[in-house]
Amino acid sequence: GNSVTQMEGPVTLSEEAFLTINCTYTATGYPSLFWYVQYPGEGLQLLLKATKADDKGSNKGFEATYRKETTSFHLEKGSVQVSDSAVYFCALSDQGDKLIFGTGTRLQVFP
Amino acid sequence: EAGVAQSPRYKIIEKRQSVAFWCNPISGHATLYWYQQILGQGPKLLIQFQNNGVVDDSQLPKDRFSAERLKGVDSTLKIQPAKLEDSAVYLCASSLQGASTEAFFGQGTRLTVV
Repeated sequence: GNSVTQMEGPVTLSEEAFLTINCTYTATGYPSLFWYVQYPGEGLQLLLKATKADDKGSNKGFEATYRKETTSFHLEKGSVQVSDSAVYFCALSDQGDKLIFGTGTRLQVFP
Repeated sequence: EAGVAQSPRYKIIEKRQSVAFWCNPISGHATLYWYQQILGQGPKLLIQFQNNGVVDDSQLPKDRFSAERLKGVDSTLKIQPAKLEDSAVYLCASSLQGASTEAFFGQGTRLTVV
């Protein structure tokens, strides 16, 4: 079935470091891809999305590019801040119109 | 605009008891989801409604879990009887039209079964 695989955390970085969180997917057809973020004490919220191959989603300095050839949607940010500390979830919406999540990656940024 | 409302925020029950969760989605959102998020894991879809019809409930343990969305608006999720392994956060989300549109999540109900 369709699925999303994320790198295990926690990812621990110093402020202003470069961030990559890997995400790969398995799906039939052409899913839409998402990154959701869960800040401490808050609900899940959409960070960015991409709906077709080679699309780049971006928001708040984060970027991810839909790579069909490698079935990947890695999340990147050039310079992280302490306020970016959160759990990040990669997700896809499949042909059956279901929204499927990965297991999440915790990011901890220290000053 | 008002977000997705869930209640209660926390619930502690003994195993074999029953419990119900309530969700009020964003007005006008046709799609409503219930997810189970066990500590340290990603959200697992339990059931997805489109208006008041079920799109997918393949991962809903139907011997103990039930859900309904009367009139295509509010929804309730029930567990009867609860087991220890049901301890989790139950998330409700809604989207305008299907999974390709942004899903907005409530803050969840944290259930502890003792």
